[in-house]
Amino acid sequence: DAKTTQPNSMESNEEEPVHLPCNHSTISGTDYIHWYRQLPSQGPEYVIHGLTSNVNNRMASLAIAEDRKSSTLILHRATLRDAAVYYCILRDVGGGTSYGKLTFGQGTILTVHP
Amino acid sequence: NAGVTQTPKFQVLKTGQSMTLQCAQDMNHNSMYWYRQDPGMGLRLIYYSASEGTTDKGEVPNGYNVSRLNKREFSLRLESAAPSQTSVYFCASSEAPAANQSPQYFGPGTRLTVL
Repeated sequence: DAKTTQPNSMESNEEEPVHLPCNHSTISGTDYIHWYRQLPSQGPEYVIHGLTSNVNNRMASLAIAEDRKSSTLILHRATLRDAAVYYCILRDVGGGTSYGKLTFGQGTILTVHP
Repeated sequence: NAGVTQTPKFQVLKTGQSMTLQCAQDMNHNSMYWYRQDPGMGLRLIYYSASEGTTDKGEVPNGYNVSRLNKREFSLRLESAAPSQTSVYFCASSEAPAANQSPQYFGPGTRLTVL
């Protein structure tokens, strides 16, 4: 499985934008980039995913480098509720033993200051 | 719409005891999953069920069995609990078979301690 590298932790102030980076230099052409987050004492929560183009939804934006070897999750205005562990995950398109599974790494702990 | 529900929320077992963790989803999803999360670590896949009537092993299946009872329910059984199985267990579901990019929706977790 292709691996991802994320900073262990990041800090932000409330109402400021947050850019969470993820490196995936060994990404294959069939890997989608998924982001999940996990709030304290809760199960993970889907945030966004993309393949090549930048993506936006109500929660966040995903910016994908042209060579797809890195991506950035953008929270446009951080709130205290955004404090969580953010996971960048490569998800194979499926088939065989990988079967579209999610492989969670260590993630980035985001702290948001009031 | 409750989403994914798990019971119990907390459980303490003694070594060698057995128990079943229950999971149900009301989103009419085809695929369901069981993960475990150990302190300071990411989630690891135990078993998954791509569709009703099928189950497959994930990364860490040893010591566990699963049953896809129907489309809604997917249970995880520990036949003889060991201290190494102390963990938080999460159930998840997704709309399409696992080979699609459908998001996975997670339950609140079961915190299991084996003494």
